[in-house]
Amino acid sequence: SQTIHQWPATLVQPVGSPLSLECTVEGTSNPNLYWYRQAAGRGLQLLFYSVGIGQISSEVPQNLSASRPQDRQFILSSKKLLLSDSGFYLCAWRAGDRESDGYTFGSGTRLTVV
Amino acid sequence: LAKTTQPISMDSYEGQEVNITCSHNNIATNDYITWYQQFPSQGPRFIIQGYKTKVTNEVASLFIPADRKSSTLSLPRVSLSDTAVYYCLVGPYFYNQGGKLIFGQGTELSVKP
Repeated sequence: SQTIHQWPATLVQPVGSPLSLECTVEGTSNPNLYWYRQAAGRGLQLLFYSVGIGQISSEVPQNLSASRPQDRQFILSSKKLLLSDSGFYLCAWRAGDRESDGYTFGSGTRLTVV
Repeated sequence: LAKTTQPISMDSYEGQEVNITCSHNNIATNDYITWYQQFPSQGPRFIIQGYKTKVTNEVASLFIPADRKSSTLSLPRVSLSDTAVYYCLVGPYFYNQGGKLIFGQGTELSVKP
């Protein structure tokens, strides 16, 4: 069965420090992968999505970047965090062969920039 | 991408049926309608998906009129554990069409005893 792993669960980082959040998917190949951010408890904002290795589409200009070095690995990074980068970060994936399952989300990373 | 509009919040009591309506006037021919549920500090969870008419699963029903400009999520006999934010999304189903989900603000459902 397909599963999605996202870590760490919580993270407290100082302003100006780097960031690396990792997401991996098991049990499928060539999934669409997504990074979302949720601030203030509501309203998920799509940050990046990827349809294949090395293919990244950015939805909003920001202090973050994403990479997909392997088929089932999606990484969210920042060279220097800002206070405004705080939020709940969610990774999601979708495979085209499961018509009724929609998108599957990871458990999320709660990032606090101090 | 079709924009969705849904109520910000709703209140209900245990055992009642809850209907949450979502408007999506600019839905495209190849768009599907999907509903997600999100509990605090968790990722959204898929509830139900449909294209037209009515879809039912063990959790909910989804009603879509012929013009597809709106949809209604129906939760039968809600319990306290159904308190969550519910998102209505519209987007292409097949991944080779792009398939990026755009979330609105959602509806915060509060179920009271």
